[in-house]
Formats: sequence, structure tokens, C-alpha cells
Amino acid sequence: GDSVTQTEGQVTVSESKSLIINCTYSTTSIAYPNLFWYVRYPGEGLQLLLKVITAGQKGSSRGFEATYNKETTSFHLQKASVQESDSAVYYCALVPDTNAYKVIFGKGTHLHVLP
Amino acid sequence: SVLLYQKPNRDICQSGTSLKIQCVADSQVVSMFWYQQFQEQSLMLMATANEGSEATYESGFTKDKFPISRPNLTFSTLTVNNARPGDSSIYFCSSLHPNTEVFFGKGTRLTVV
Repeated sequence: GDSVTQTEGQVTVSESKSLIINCTYSTTSIAYPNLFWYVRYPGEGLQLLLKVITAGQKGSSRGFEATYNKETTSFHLQKASVQESDSAVYYCALVPDTNAYKVIFGKGTHLHVLP
Repeated sequence: SVLLYQKPNRDICQSGTSLKIQCVADSQVVSMFWYQQFQEQSLMLMATANEGSEATYESGFTKDKFPISRPNLTFSTLTVNNARPGDSSIYFCSSLHPNTEVFFGKGTRLTVV
């Protein structure tokens, strides 16, 4: 079936350091899936951080970026210099087939940025 | 974008009782869904709320346990029947945009005691 794997449940980084949150996916769809990163800040709802719908392309938002790599089936989230305000839970997600409705989520990675 | 308002934000209920969660969209949306999230786990799609007809349930979720109504294109309710401690989780409503962007409510944290 379709799945998304985030290997780190929690990541702690000092402010101004670089960040990478790993995400790999698996899908049985013959179509290339659409890939997303969602973020939930404390006390807030889930919101879209970035999305990429074309393999090989990079998405970016708020200093974060992720590249859709179909060879390694990965969509890692990176940021060169994190801020304390980036502390949140980050979810990698995919829509296997744009004709379908189902969104498959990873378990989420809780990012703590130390001042 | 679409804003989804859920209420209540959180609730505590006794085992064996029922709880209703409401979701209101600030504009008409074609597709509306309900997700369940246990702590430290993925969001799991429970069902698609279909306007004016029965919801479509994913494996592991039934209409008897989680009846869903969707009387119009801006409103849906999820009911948790015969609540058990194992139902304690966060419930999210969401809508899917034609461009495949998904919007979420802030969630309802349910604790069953």
C-alpha cells in the first residue's frame, strides 16, 4: 500500500544551525504522487508548508525547502538556519493519485529549536 | 484557502456515551474528510463526508461507531458512539481543494474516561 516514513520522532537543533528532517515514501500508484510538508505550531491547526507535484522539482517556503526525488523516493525537509519560532511538528504527506482523495501522512517529527 | 472551524476544541466524556464534533467551512467545499490521530501517530483517514448521502468509510471505521452527516457543502458532523478510552485521540476535519491542497481544522481532542 501507500505509506510515508519519517524516521525521527523528535529533533532538537540549536538556533541558527541547519536542519534536515527525513521523509521517504512508498506508493502503489502508477502515477507520480504529489508530495507535501505540513506543519502544526503549538496551539494551531495543521497548515501547508510546501508542496511539490512534479518529480525532480524543489518546493520552498519560509526558508524551508524539499526536493521531490523519485529515484530515492524521498522528500527530505531542509533549512539552512533554524529559528526558535520554527519549533513545531512537521508532517510529510503524499496524495498517491490526483484522481483520488486520500492523503497519506507520516507520523510527524517534533522539532525543538533551542535558543 | 479554506478555513475550517471545529467545535468543541476538546472534550472529556464518560465511557458508553456519545459525542458530536462539528466542522464548519467558511466557503463551500466539494470534498470533506475526517481524520483520527492518536498521540505520536500518523493522521488516519476515517471517512469521506458526502453531501446529502452516506459517508464513505475507510477500513477499520464504521458508520455505526462513527456516524457522519453532511447536510450541505459547508457543514459536517462526526459522532463518536459508545465512546471507549481507546477512542481518545484528536479528530480533524479537512477539505481537499481541486489543486490537491488539503486544509484542516484545528482538531478536537477527545478524552474518554
